[in-house]
Amino acid sequence: EVVLTQSPVTLSLSPGERATLSCRASQSVSSYLAWYLQKPGQAPRLLIYDASNRAAGIPARFSGSGSGTDFTLTISSLEPEDFAVYYCQQRSSWPITFGGGTKVEIK
Amino acid sequence: QVQLVESGGGVVQPGRSLRLSCATSGFTFRSYGMHWVRQAPGKGLEWVAVISFDGSTKYYGDSVKGRFTISRDNSRNTLDLQMNSLRAEDTAVYYCAKEREKTTNFDYWGRGTLVTVSS
Repeated sequence: EVVLTQSPVTLSLSPGERATLSCRASQSVSSYLAWYLQKPGQAPRLLIYDASNRAAGIPARFSGSGSGTDFTLTISSLEPEDFAVYYCQQRSSWPITFGGGTKVEIK
Repeated sequence: QVQLVESGGGVVQPGRSLRLSCATSGFTFRSYGMHWVRQAPGKGLEWVAVISFDGSTKYYGDSVKGRFTISRDNSRNTLDLQMNSLRAEDTAVYYCAKEREKTTNFDYWGRGTLVTVSS
């Protein structure tokens, strides 16, 4: 099973700041990594798929990069609605696995 | 628009069974693989099971293998999850999720249904 480790666990930032979230895989997942955002009481929402492709309707301030075992989600300038929990997910091999999440909170 | 609506959650005793359903609309259900993903209270996401577009292929997470069965009815646009021999650790919100195109990413999710396993 591919283990995804997200860091940091919590990120405290102010609106307008840049956020950089990391996801590291225990073995190569090629570019088969996605990012999701989840707000309290809501289902997750797909942000980025295949490491760097924005999903439909996702603003350009969200970008993804990386391949192999190291991946990054960058939010160029935090909007109030971006404060939430972010999960990475790999689809390179079964079982599908998710990272433990990074909470982006208001500083 | 795409809609996924789960139902069937509730409180159940350990060792008992429960069947979840997901009613879908707004897309060509028979063309997409479908998944169940769960989230224990205050915890992260855990993938549970997948069924291919035609129902011919199914995979399960290790924690539910042999106890849960995923199925679909392409004539009714519904997805089911039969859960047997339930354990306390199965307590979670269960989401059904649609695959994005032919990939195992999830572009649409339901709102979830809460399953609580407790005596």
